[in-house]
This record gives sequence, structure tokens and C-alpha cells, in this order.
Amino acid sequence: DAGVIQSPRHEVTEMGQEVTLRCKPISGHDYLFWYRQTMMRGLELLIYFNNNVPIDDSGMPEDRFSAKMPNASFSTLKIQPSEPRDSAVYFCASSLANRIFGYTFGSGTRLTVV
Amino acid sequence: AQTVTQSQPEMSVQEAETVTLSCTYDTSESDYYLFWYKQPPSRQMILVIRQEAYKQQNATENRFSVNFQKAAKSFSLKISDSQLGDAAMYFCAYRKRVQGAQKLVFGQGTRLTINP
Repeated sequence: DAGVIQSPRHEVTEMGQEVTLRCKPISGHDYLFWYRQTMMRGLELLIYFNNNVPIDDSGMPEDRFSAKMPNASFSTLKIQPSEPRDSAVYFCASSLANRIFGYTFGSGTRLTVV
Repeated sequence: AQTVTQSQPEMSVQEAETVTLSCTYDTSESDYYLFWYKQPPSRQMILVIRQEAYKQQNATENRFSVNFQKAAKSFSLKISDSQLGDAAMYFCAYRKRVQGAQKLVFGQGTRLTINP
């Protein structure tokens, strides 16, 4: 199994530009999560999906952030327009319902907005 | 809401010695899971050990073991015979054991340094 695959690994963009982060979960997993990691706030849950349906997006910081999961094998997190304070590492993770093993995380995307 | 607190931002230990990382949590639930994740400089989040709240026996994985004190809501991680490869950020995490409730709540992390 290739694990959770995120792309790109690094992204540098200018303020005001649109940024799209991508995630391919582990095949068969029915939960997908997007987390953001910063020094100040640690790991924050942004949104999670169950069977491609968004369940809780209360962690999405503002309307500039949006996430989609058009099918079971792909999800995107979009920021439009991006701002310097969005600079962080964004993790995607997937899981099976009621499995106690926690999540399987991707390697993260380090986003830098200049 | 559930919260997880790691009171030690940084810890250091001599190679081959034992170190304990602290974690406390707050919840009104009686059934839940607790985890320790390791994040090395590569950024990959790696599950180290897990504990089911309904089990009294502390979990053990090779050199890693936990001290789970349910009444005190404490979940510490002990690393024995520390190795250079153990240097990383360590995160304590909580998850409710409820149908469909999959959110992991993380602590702020503890940076562990291993001194050769």
C-alpha cells in the first residue's frame, strides 16, 4: 500500500494567489481529514469527510478555505486568495471507521505564502 | 470539548537512558482511545503506541510504554534505552470511542532531543 499521498510536498506562492493542495487517501478508507500544523497553534483539524461527505468543517478558518472530495480516492484543499498567515504544513490523513489505529497521515504539504 | 495538554515543550535525554513524556487530557467521556505520535524532521506522523480507555493494562511496544491513569486523566509515554533515532516531536492525542466519531485531538507536542 502506498499510504496517503499528498502533493505537492512544498508550495511557495505569492499573496493573493490561489493554492490547491491534493490528497489521495488509502484505498478503502472511508474517513479523510485535513489538518494544519503551525508553531503557534499546533495541529488543528480543518475539516473531515466520511464517505466523501463533509461531516465537520468548523475548523476551516474562513471563507477563503474550501475542501472537496469528489470521489473516494481524491480530495483537495483550496485557499483563495492566499495570505502570509496561511503559511503552515497541511496534512491529509485517512482512516477506517471504528478502527482503533488512529489515522494514517500523508507526508504533508509545506505552504509558504510570501 | 476535549482538550489535550503536554506541559513539556522540550525534553532531552542521554542516549541509552529512559525518558518520560507527560500528557493530560480533559473529557467527560468514559470510553475513548489515546495515542502517542512521533514526528521526526521528515514531517511524517508515525503512530508510536495506542491505549484503549477500557483496558486497565498499560500498552507496551518494544521500548515504548505508557502509564495510563484514567482517574487522573494522565497518559505518559516512557521511552527506554533511548536511541538517536528517537529524536522527534511527540504528540499525545485523544479520540472518542463512538460510532463515527473519528476526530483526533492533539496536544501541543514535546520536542525530544537525544544527547549522544
